[in-house]
Amino acid sequence: ETGVTQTPRHLVMGMTNKKSLKCEQHLGHNAMYWYKQSAKKPLELMFVYSLEERVENNSVPSRFSPECPNSSHLFLHLHTLQPEDSALYLCASSVKSDGRPYEQYFGPGTRLTVT
Amino acid sequence: RKEVEQDPGPFNVPEGATVAFNCTYSNSASQSFFWYRQDCRKEPKLLMSVYSSGNEDGRFTAQLNRASQYISLLIRDSKLSDSATYLCVVNLPGSQGNLIFGKGTKLSVKP
Repeated sequence: ETGVTQTPRHLVMGMTNKKSLKCEQHLGHNAMYWYKQSAKKPLELMFVYSLEERVENNSVPSRFSPECPNSSHLFLHLHTLQPEDSALYLCASSVKSDGRPYEQYFGPGTRLTVT
Repeated sequence: RKEVEQDPGPFNVPEGATVAFNCTYSNSASQSFFWYRQDCRKEPKLLMSVYSSGNEDGRFTAQLNRASQYISLLIRDSKLSDSATYLCVVNLPGSQGNLIFGKGTKLSVKP
């Protein structure tokens, strides 16, 4: 399945590095999301973009910086991360219309390790 | 009370068994409900939406009880390939369609 793709699939970075995660959706959706999934925790919503505008930032530290240049692409820029930021970062997309919650489709995720 | 609560399991069942999971949600204004499955170290994948009247897709049946604020998933004739974690998902009312995910119920189907 190639509806939502993410790169890289695995990333190891030091606390002083700067890296970016990329997500691309080929489903014609107009909303995109970043989630964090840590061990034994439910998915945590980080950011929501609707029609390329950020509509939600769930109190995410500023060391995570999202960017949505168009409705098909979403980035998550990372800098000066902490070891506790190690997790699976998932991108998702959905249709978004009049606030109705449509099902979301996920990319394969980037497994991030911060050393 | 947690927004979406599930029994973490694991549920260990033999092939061919019928197994049921329940999930409770806290916000009575929630309108949309889904079941996702997540295989180990993979992304969540939509299994089925849950409609008010209940719905069935092959061996899978989903039910919604609004009065008691719970959702159920029934799997009949379990297959080895059904082994996964099943995530209960509910929309967050008042948000722009955001979803709240439960921690999931782990199912292990044994031969």
